[in-house]
Amino acid sequence: DVKVTQSSRYLVKRTGEKVFLECVQDMDHENMFWYRQDPGLGLRLIYFSYDVKMKEKGDIPEGYSVSREKKERFSLILESASTNQTSMYLCASSFPDRGQTEAFFGQGTRLTVV
Amino acid sequence: AQKITQTQPGMFVQEKEAVTLDCTYDTSDQSYGLFWYKQPSSGEMIFLIYQGSYDEQNATEGRYSLNFQKARKSANLVISASQLGDSAMYFCAMRDQTGANNLFFGTGTRLTVIP
Repeated sequence: DVKVTQSSRYLVKRTGEKVFLECVQDMDHENMFWYRQDPGLGLRLIYFSYDVKMKEKGDIPEGYSVSREKKERFSLILESASTNQTSMYLCASSFPDRGQTEAFFGQGTRLTVV
Repeated sequence: AQKITQTQPGMFVQEKEAVTLDCTYDTSDQSYGLFWYKQPSSGEMIFLIYQGSYDEQNATEGRYSLNFQKARKSANLVISASQLGDSAMYFCAMRDQTGANNLFFGTGTRLTVIP
């Protein structure tokens, strides 16, 4: 059974803290994604990685960074958490597109910054 | 730049009836893929159906079908014989098949099935 696992389901952090959200996939996928989901805004792409140590900015990268040292793991980092980063964060992975290559998602991390 | 538009924030449908969820997209690419995902209240994203831009036939998967009108740049999801378990958020997404292969999502439609 394919799996994308996010390290936490719920997180509460204080303003100014450095926050790490971890994502691991067991499908040997090259592509990995981080999205944030907010009501009325859908899923917005934060960062995307197509290979180890490679990353591309998505639509809303400000305030975030990422790390991909191993193929199976893609980390999202909030350098200094702010209240406007309170959101649901979704990690996904997929093969490079060769037709029908859907992305598989983790269960999501609901982050609250207080 | 790619853009996905879902104009229906919420939809209601009677159980056992069919419902159409709208999706339009904007891209200058010739090659792209269109996806629909379902997100129940539990939060997981479930892949439903895929349509490639060069596919001549509309995709179907069980009770789901995709009404693909390339010239109008629309990719509407049709759910037949709605069930209570179909109540969820539905997201339309598009991936280009060149460059970075990013996957872009619309804002979603919340479907409520009424008994």
